[in-house]
Amino acid sequence: QKEVEQNSGPLSVPEGAIASLNCTYSDRVSQSFFWYRQYSGKSPELIMSIYSNGDKEDGRFTAQLNKASQYVSLLIRDSQPSDSATYLCAVNYAGGTSYGKLTFGQGTILTVHP
Amino acid sequence: GAVVSQHPSWVICKSGTSVKIECRSLDFQATTMFWYRQFPKQSLMLMATSNEGSKATYEQGVEKDKFLINHASLTLSTLTVTSAHPEDSSFYICSGGDSSPHEQYFGPGTRLTVT
Repeated sequence: QKEVEQNSGPLSVPEGAIASLNCTYSDRVSQSFFWYRQYSGKSPELIMSIYSNGDKEDGRFTAQLNKASQYVSLLIRDSQPSDSATYLCAVNYAGGTSYGKLTFGQGTILTVHP
Repeated sequence: GAVVSQHPSWVICKSGTSVKIECRSLDFQATTMFWYRQFPKQSLMLMATSNEGSKATYEQGVEKDKFLINHASLTLSTLTVTSAHPEDSSFYICSGGDSSPHEQYFGPGTRLTVT
């Protein structure tokens, strides 16, 4: 059973702070890793993708991947109230009938308070 | 990012009727489309994977005769919920991937309520 686990929330941070979201996955064959943001009642929106070890930065977002530890994280700098949402970690497993499929974590609810 | 549309955005139907949901990729060709279901306060659960011109692959526990998927073109996939029951009420979301299936772009979702 391929699993994706996210740190349990909810996570509450003050405006302007750094929000740190974590995710671990069980299958070492995994190749692609994604962070989606989902506002209440809406569908997920892709905000970051990462494929190789290290950091990837895009504006206020930084994704970090450590394949040896099977760990991927998302940092949100200068958090804004508009960042309040559920963040979903997704892993793409390679090979066989799993090719192209995403497995999602349970999501972490982030609240940024003014 | 790529744009995926869904229609309708919400639908209410009576128990026993069938409902069709359309998913379209607007600015790319989706060789693969995925259908998800999301219940309140839960994460997305993959229902099936459809490839253009071939039969869909259903996840374990998903009834293929109840959830009919058709992917007749590179820009359109449809999900038909047949003989809907109240327990089928959920948020149905499709996603599309282009030649690189690694990135999936989600449609806005369809909220189905079966009365």
